[in-house]
Amino acid sequence: ELKVEQNPLFLSMQEGKNYTIYCNYSTTSDRLYWYRQDPGKSLESLFVLLSNGAVKQEGRLMASLDTKARLSTLHITAAVHDLSATYFCAVGPGAQKLVFGQGTRLTINP
Amino acid sequence: SAVISQKPSRDICQRGTSLTIQCQVDSQVTMMFWYRQQPGQSLTLIATANQGSEATYESGFVIDKFPISRPNLTFSTLTVSNMSPEDSSIYLCSVVSDSSYEQYFGPGTRLTVT
Repeated sequence: ELKVEQNPLFLSMQEGKNYTIYCNYSTTSDRLYWYRQDPGKSLESLFVLLSNGAVKQEGRLMASLDTKARLSTLHITAAVHDLSATYFCAVGPGAQKLVFGQGTRLTINP
Repeated sequence: SAVISQKPSRDICQRGTSLTIQCQVDSQVTMMFWYRQQPGQSLTLIATANQGSEATYESGFVIDKFPISRPNLTFSTLTVSNMSPEDSSIYLCSVVSDSSYEQYFGPGTRLTVT
């Protein structure tokens, strides 16, 4: 059974700092997704990572994938308050369905 | 990207009743999915809705409780039957782009069962 674990689950940080969210998964998979969810809202797609060594960047967020280690990271550079949200990673074990991590609730303080 | 709408956006229902949630996509897609997000929790897949065949349910979810229809390639419904307070959740439909592997989520239906 595929398990997806994120850490940390809660993260409070100051504006301007850098930090990384980790996503580990238990079995081989061919797709890894990162989503953002604001309170009371649906999920916003951030990144889709499809191959080992894939790296994608959008603004202050950068995601990478190491399929051999079964690890993905979401790196936040020089955080700003607007990035406060819950971030989920999700892994596709095939047939296009996703298994989600627990989510990381990120709070960025001025 | 796919544009997904859901109806209703929220509802408050009495214990023992049923609610049908509709999901409409602006383009034809092969597979649609229904997820549940319980308060403060992550998302859990309920079932995969296949056009022209029975839905495929995940462990812990059964057709009698969550019947699903998929009459065409742009529409699906999920019914939450014989509701109890434990069914209070956000229900989200999702589709996968056949070309880009992007998976998109609808705005969700926030259900409260009293």
